[in-house]
Amino acid sequence: NAGVTQTPKFQVLKTGQSMTLQCAQDMNHNSMYWYRQDPGMGLRLIYYSASEGTTDKGEVPNGYNVSRLNKREFSLRLESAAPSQTSVYFCASSEAWPSGNEQFFGPGTRLTVL
Amino acid sequence: GENVEQHPSTLSVQEGDSAVIKCTYSDSASNYFPWYKQELGKRPQLIIDIRSNVGEKKDQRIAVTLNKTAKHFSLHITETQPEDSAVYFCAASRGSGYSTLTFGKGTMLLVSP
Repeated sequence: NAGVTQTPKFQVLKTGQSMTLQCAQDMNHNSMYWYRQDPGMGLRLIYYSASEGTTDKGEVPNGYNVSRLNKREFSLRLESAAPSQTSVYFCASSEAWPSGNEQFFGPGTRLTVL
Repeated sequence: GENVEQHPSTLSVQEGDSAVIKCTYSDSASNYFPWYKQELGKRPQLIIDIRSNVGEKKDQRIAVTLNKTAKHFSLHITETQPEDSAVYFCAASRGSGYSTLTFGKGTMLLVSP
């Protein structure tokens, strides 16, 4: 039982390049999330998927797109990377309420945009 | 939307002392309040949570208290140990349907031996 996995662990991009961050969970969770973590800013929600087939914007969605490929997988795409997107990206998953809202996080992807 | 304020941003204590981290929230409909611990270079992990029908919850050396009237909740760590050193995040959500969490900005706790 691997929990939540993310690839890649590290990535360096040049401004304007595109890339997709991959996330998968093996806990049969309905909901999945993408956060970014910047120093002093806590965890900010980019997009989330309440259930397979749905996606919604979070607090900071600009410059990102997501795809809920199936119940296990939720990807985050940067179409044209900007230095402001340099951050650590975490994927998370949870069961829907009322089972509990505990979110299980992946190990993170450290992204640098030059 | 929800806004969560967390204080202090850094907290230094001696081993064996107690540590208290406080959070306030703005949405009176919020009813689920988790705390996450993030060690350096690691992922956040849930350490304790509380729901609005409970005023206090304990788990060994950690406890969380909730005051819904004042819209604030606190994390208490007793008999701190060096391995408690980490960043702690509070969060709040309505806990209904497919609700999302709003996180505070974090508190870096340093426990000196």
